[in-house]
Amino acid sequence: GAVVSQHPSWVICKSGTSVKIECRSLDFQATTMFWYRQFPKQSLMLMATSNEGSKATYEQGVEKDKFLINHASLTLSTLTVTSAHPEDSSFYICSARDSSRGFREQFFGPGTRLTVL
Amino acid sequence: GQSLEQPSEVTAVEGAIVQINCTYQTSGFYGLSWYQQHDGGAPTFLSYNALDGLEETGRFSSFLSRSDSYGYLLLQELQMKDSASYFCAAYSGAGSYQLTFGKGTKLSVIP
Repeated sequence: GAVVSQHPSWVICKSGTSVKIECRSLDFQATTMFWYRQFPKQSLMLMATSNEGSKATYEQGVEKDKFLINHASLTLSTLTVTSAHPEDSSFYICSARDSSRGFREQFFGPGTRLTVL
Repeated sequence: GQSLEQPSEVTAVEGAIVQINCTYQTSGFYGLSWYQQHDGGAPTFLSYNALDGLEETGRFSSFLSRSDSYGYLLLQELQMKDSASYFCAAYSGAGSYQLTFGKGTKLSVIP
Protein backbone atom coordinates (compact mmCIF):
# COMPACT_ATOMS: atom_id res chain seq x y z
CA GLY A 1 0.00 0.00 0.00
CA ALA A 2 0.82 3.71 0.13
CA VAL A 3 1.67 4.21 -3.51
CA VAL A 4 2.07 7.61 -5.08
CA SER A 5 2.12 7.99 -8.83
CA GLN A 6 3.21 10.87 -11.00
CA HIS A 7 2.45 11.59 -14.60
CA PRO A 8 4.23 12.14 -16.85
CA SER A 9 7.51 10.57 -15.81
CA TRP A 10 9.39 12.80 -18.20
CA VAL A 11 8.50 15.67 -20.46
CA ILE A 12 10.33 17.84 -22.96
CA CYS A 13 8.79 21.14 -23.89
CA LYS A 14 9.60 24.35 -25.69
CA SER A 15 10.41 27.52 -23.83
CA GLY A 16 7.28 29.54 -23.11
CA THR A 17 4.88 26.63 -22.94
CA SER A 18 3.13 25.31 -19.84
CA VAL A 19 3.45 21.83 -18.42
CA LYS A 20 1.12 20.08 -16.00
CA ILE A 21 2.33 17.34 -13.70
CA GLU A 22 -0.12 15.12 -11.85
CA CYS A 23 0.44 13.47 -8.50
CA ARG A 24 -1.94 10.80 -7.27
CA SER A 25 -2.16 8.80 -4.10
CA LEU A 26 -3.41 5.46 -5.35
CA ASP A 27 -4.54 3.63 -2.24
CA PHE A 28 -4.86 6.21 0.47
CA GLN A 29 -6.27 9.64 1.10
CA ALA A 30 -3.80 12.47 1.28
CA THR A 31 -4.99 15.66 2.87
CA THR A 32 -1.50 17.07 2.43
CA MET A 33 0.78 16.76 -0.56
CA PHE A 34 4.17 18.32 -1.07
CA TRP A 35 6.01 19.37 -4.20
CA TYR A 36 9.79 19.27 -4.37
CA ARG A 37 12.34 19.99 -7.04
CA GLN A 38 15.74 18.43 -7.23
CA PHE A 39 18.67 19.53 -9.38
CA PRO A 40 21.28 16.94 -10.35
CA LYS A 41 23.29 15.67 -7.41
CA GLN A 42 21.53 18.04 -5.05
CA SER A 43 18.99 17.76 -2.31
CA LEU A 44 15.24 17.94 -2.52
CA MET A 45 13.99 21.47 -2.08
CA LEU A 46 10.46 21.94 -0.89
CA MET A 47 8.52 24.18 -3.24
CA ALA A 48 5.08 24.16 -1.71
CA THR A 49 2.69 22.41 0.60
CA SER A 50 -0.69 21.58 -0.82
CA ASN A 51 -3.74 20.99 1.33
CA GLU A 52 -6.88 19.56 -0.16
CA GLY A 53 -9.47 22.20 -0.80
CA SER A 54 -7.32 25.18 0.09
CA LYS A 55 -4.59 27.29 -1.41
CA ALA A 56 -1.07 25.96 -1.46
CA THR A 57 1.58 27.38 0.83
CA TYR A 58 4.70 28.30 -1.11
CA GLU A 59 8.23 28.37 0.21
CA GLN A 60 10.19 31.57 0.11
CA GLY A 61 11.54 32.29 -3.33
CA VAL A 62 9.05 30.08 -5.19
CA GLU A 63 6.82 32.07 -7.54
CA LYS A 64 3.23 31.04 -6.97
CA ASP A 65 2.13 32.51 -10.29
CA LYS A 66 4.69 30.43 -12.13
CA PHE A 67 4.17 27.17 -10.27
CA LEU A 68 0.42 26.71 -10.00
CA ILE A 69 -0.70 24.04 -7.58
CA ASN A 70 -4.16 22.60 -7.34
CA HIS A 71 -5.24 19.99 -4.80
CA ALA A 72 -8.82 19.43 -5.76
CA SER A 73 -9.34 16.03 -4.21
CA LEU A 74 -7.89 13.81 -1.51
CA THR A 75 -6.03 11.77 -4.11
CA LEU A 76 -4.88 14.29 -6.70
CA SER A 77 -2.62 17.31 -6.75
CA THR A 78 -1.33 19.02 -9.86
CA LEU A 79 1.64 21.26 -10.48
CA THR A 80 1.58 23.45 -13.57
CA VAL A 81 4.80 25.10 -14.63
CA THR A 82 3.67 28.13 -16.60
CA SER A 83 5.72 29.79 -19.30
CA ALA A 84 8.53 27.34 -18.74
CA HIS A 85 12.13 28.38 -19.30
CA PRO A 86 15.32 26.32 -19.52
CA GLU A 87 16.18 27.14 -15.91
CA ASP A 88 12.99 25.35 -14.87
CA SER A 89 14.45 22.09 -16.13
CA SER A 90 14.64 19.87 -13.09
CA PHE A 91 13.36 16.73 -11.42
CA TYR A 92 10.00 17.43 -9.79
CA ILE A 93 8.88 15.06 -7.07
CA CYS A 94 5.64 15.02 -5.18
CA SER A 95 4.98 13.33 -1.90
CA ALA A 96 1.85 12.60 0.04
CA ARG A 97 1.08 11.96 3.63
CA ASP A 98 -1.39 9.24 4.58
CA SER A 99 -3.81 11.01 6.87
CA SER A 100 -4.49 7.84 8.83
CA ARG A 101 -0.82 7.31 9.66
CA GLY A 102 -0.01 10.72 11.02
CA PHE A 103 3.03 12.55 9.76
CA ARG A 104 5.67 9.92 10.43
CA GLU A 105 6.09 8.84 6.86
CA GLN A 106 5.79 10.60 3.55
CA PHE A 107 5.41 8.62 0.39
CA PHE A 108 7.13 9.92 -2.67
CA GLY A 109 6.13 9.68 -6.27
CA PRO A 110 8.62 8.48 -8.88
CA GLY A 111 9.30 12.02 -10.04
CA THR A 112 8.91 13.89 -13.30
CA ARG A 113 11.94 14.97 -15.23
CA LEU A 114 11.23 18.23 -17.04
CA THR A 115 13.49 19.45 -19.80
CA VAL A 116 12.75 22.87 -21.27
CA LEU A 117 14.42 23.57 -24.60
CA GLY B 1 15.98 28.65 9.15
CA GLN B 2 16.35 24.94 8.91
CA SER B 3 19.62 23.21 8.07
CA LEU B 4 20.93 19.70 8.13
CA GLU B 5 24.55 18.72 7.64
CA GLN B 6 25.77 15.35 6.47
CA PRO B 7 28.88 14.15 4.65
CA SER B 8 28.71 14.44 0.90
CA GLU B 9 30.29 11.09 0.09
CA VAL B 10 31.17 7.84 1.82
CA THR B 11 32.81 4.73 0.40
CA ALA B 12 32.68 1.36 2.11
CA VAL B 13 33.44 -2.25 1.33
CA GLU B 14 30.79 -4.85 0.69
CA GLY B 15 29.93 -6.68 3.90
CA ALA B 16 31.18 -3.86 6.11
CA ILE B 17 29.33 -1.44 8.37
CA VAL B 18 28.97 2.26 7.61
CA GLN B 19 27.60 5.12 9.66
CA ILE B 20 26.25 8.31 8.11
CA ASN B 21 26.01 11.21 10.52
CA CYS B 22 23.59 14.10 10.45
CA THR B 23 23.50 17.24 12.54
CA TYR B 24 20.57 19.57 12.37
CA GLN B 25 19.45 23.04 13.30
CA THR B 26 15.70 23.34 13.07
CA SER B 27 13.09 25.24 14.97
CA GLY B 28 10.07 23.31 16.09
CA PHE B 29 11.83 19.96 15.63
CA TYR B 30 9.67 16.85 15.85
CA GLY B 31 11.82 14.05 14.55
CA LEU B 32 14.44 12.83 12.11
CA SER B 33 13.84 10.63 9.11
CA TRP B 34 16.17 8.90 6.70
CA TYR B 35 15.48 8.33 3.03
CA GLN B 36 17.30 6.37 0.36
CA GLN B 37 17.41 7.50 -3.23
CA HIS B 38 18.93 5.63 -6.15
CA ASP B 39 20.02 7.62 -9.18
CA GLY B 40 17.01 8.81 -11.13
CA GLY B 41 14.58 7.36 -8.62
CA ALA B 42 12.29 8.60 -5.92
CA PRO B 43 13.27 8.78 -2.26
CA THR B 44 12.13 5.82 -0.22
CA PHE B 45 11.52 5.93 3.49
CA LEU B 46 13.99 4.08 5.71
CA SER B 47 13.38 5.15 9.28
CA TYR B 48 12.04 7.75 11.65
CA ASN B 49 13.20 8.73 15.14
CA ALA B 50 11.09 10.95 17.34
CA LEU B 51 12.69 9.93 20.62
CA ASP B 52 16.30 9.58 21.67
CA GLY B 53 17.82 6.20 21.05
CA LEU B 54 18.28 3.55 18.45
CA GLU B 55 15.66 2.22 16.05
CA GLU B 56 16.51 -1.01 14.25
CA THR B 57 14.96 -2.26 11.05
CA GLY B 58 16.79 -5.22 9.60
CA ARG B 59 20.24 -4.17 8.36
CA PHE B 60 19.45 -0.50 8.95
CA SER B 61 19.47 1.30 12.28
CA SER B 62 18.94 4.94 13.05
CA PHE B 63 19.88 6.89 16.12
CA LEU B 64 18.79 10.23 17.49
CA SER B 65 20.07 12.47 20.26
CA ARG B 66 17.81 15.48 20.60
CA SER B 67 20.06 17.14 23.15
CA ASP B 68 22.95 17.02 20.68
CA SER B 69 20.82 17.75 17.60
CA TYR B 70 22.47 14.73 16.06
CA GLY B 71 21.49 11.51 14.44
CA TYR B 72 23.00 8.79 12.35
CA LEU B 73 22.06 6.00 10.00
CA LEU B 74 23.90 2.71 10.41
CA LEU B 75 24.00 0.25 7.56
CA GLN B 76 25.28 -3.24 8.32
CA GLU B 77 26.33 -6.09 6.06
CA LEU B 78 26.62 -3.71 3.15
CA GLN B 79 25.49 -4.95 -0.23
CA MET B 80 26.26 -3.51 -3.65
CA LYS B 81 22.61 -2.53 -4.01
CA ASP B 82 23.01 -0.19 -1.02
CA SER B 83 24.97 2.18 -3.25
CA ALA B 84 22.69 5.21 -3.31
CA SER B 85 22.23 8.65 -1.81
CA TYR B 86 21.00 8.83 1.75
CA PHE B 87 19.21 11.88 3.05
CA CYS B 88 18.47 12.82 6.59
CA ALA B 89 15.34 14.90 6.87
CA ALA B 90 13.87 16.76 9.80
CA TYR B 91 10.21 17.15 10.59
CA SER B 92 9.41 20.55 11.97
CA GLY B 93 6.74 23.16 12.20
CA ALA B 94 3.26 22.96 13.54
CA GLY B 95 0.36 22.03 11.33
CA SER B 96 1.71 20.60 8.14
CA TYR B 97 4.90 19.09 9.67
CA GLN B 98 7.20 19.96 6.84
CA LEU B 99 10.13 17.78 5.92
CA THR B 100 13.45 19.54 5.33
CA PHE B 101 16.14 17.48 3.66
CA GLY B 102 19.88 17.48 4.13
CA LYS B 103 22.07 17.61 1.04
CA GLY B 104 22.49 13.88 0.95
CA THR B 105 25.37 11.45 1.34
CA LYS B 106 26.36 9.43 -1.68
CA LEU B 107 27.33 5.97 -0.53
CA SER B 108 29.47 3.87 -2.81
CA VAL B 109 29.82 0.21 -1.90
CA ILE B 110 32.86 -1.42 -3.45
CA PRO B 111 33.69 -5.13 -3.74
